[in-house]
Amino acid sequence: NAGVTQTPKFQVLKTGQSMTLQCAQDMNHNSMYWYRQDPGMGLRLIYYSASEGTTDKGEVPNGYNVSRLNKREFSLRLESAAPSQTSVYFCASSESSGRGETQYFGPGTRLLVL
Amino acid sequence: QKEVEQDPGPLSVPEGAIVSLNCTYSNSAFQYFMWYRQYSRKGPELLMYTYSSGNKEDGRFTAQVDKSSKYISLFIRDSQPSDSATYLCAMRSAGGGNKLTFGTGTQLKVEL
Repeated sequence: NAGVTQTPKFQVLKTGQSMTLQCAQDMNHNSMYWYRQDPGMGLRLIYYSASEGTTDKGEVPNGYNVSRLNKREFSLRLESAAPSQTSVYFCASSESSGRGETQYFGPGTRLLVL
Repeated sequence: QKEVEQDPGPLSVPEGAIVSLNCTYSNSAFQYFMWYRQYSRKGPELLMYTYSSGNKEDGRFTAQVDKSSKYISLFIRDSQPSDSATYLCAMRSAGGGNKLTFGTGTQLKVEL
């Protein structure tokens, strides 16, 4: 049982390049989330998926797109990377998006945009 | 003003000390309160979870919520070097799905 896995662990991009961050969970959770973590800003929600087939914007969605490929996988895409997107990205999952279910986090992807 | 305020630290204490970590918030709709622990270069992991006001104890950890003051605390008794991490408070309202609002985190170092 690996929990939440993320790939890659680290990535360097040039401004304007695109990339997709991958996330998978093996806990049969319905809900999945993408956060970014920046110094002094804490964790901020980018997008979430309450259940397979649905996605919704979080606090900072601009510049990102997501795909809930199936129940296990939730990917985050940067179409045209900008230096402001340099951050650590965390994927999380929970059993549902109901009342207070625990969110389980992956190990993170460190992204540097030059 | 941020919805959730948390002193970033760093906080350095000797082994065995009692540690107090705190968050204040402005949204009176928050009803679920959590503390996450994050080791360096790792993802956050849930440490404590409380609903509404009151105290909750789990081993060396005690979480307190004072909704009237919009203030939550995490106490760590007999602190150990293995407690050295960043502690994030998080909270959410009853509606709106499971979207959490996080504090910025307090970095704690417990020294031998």
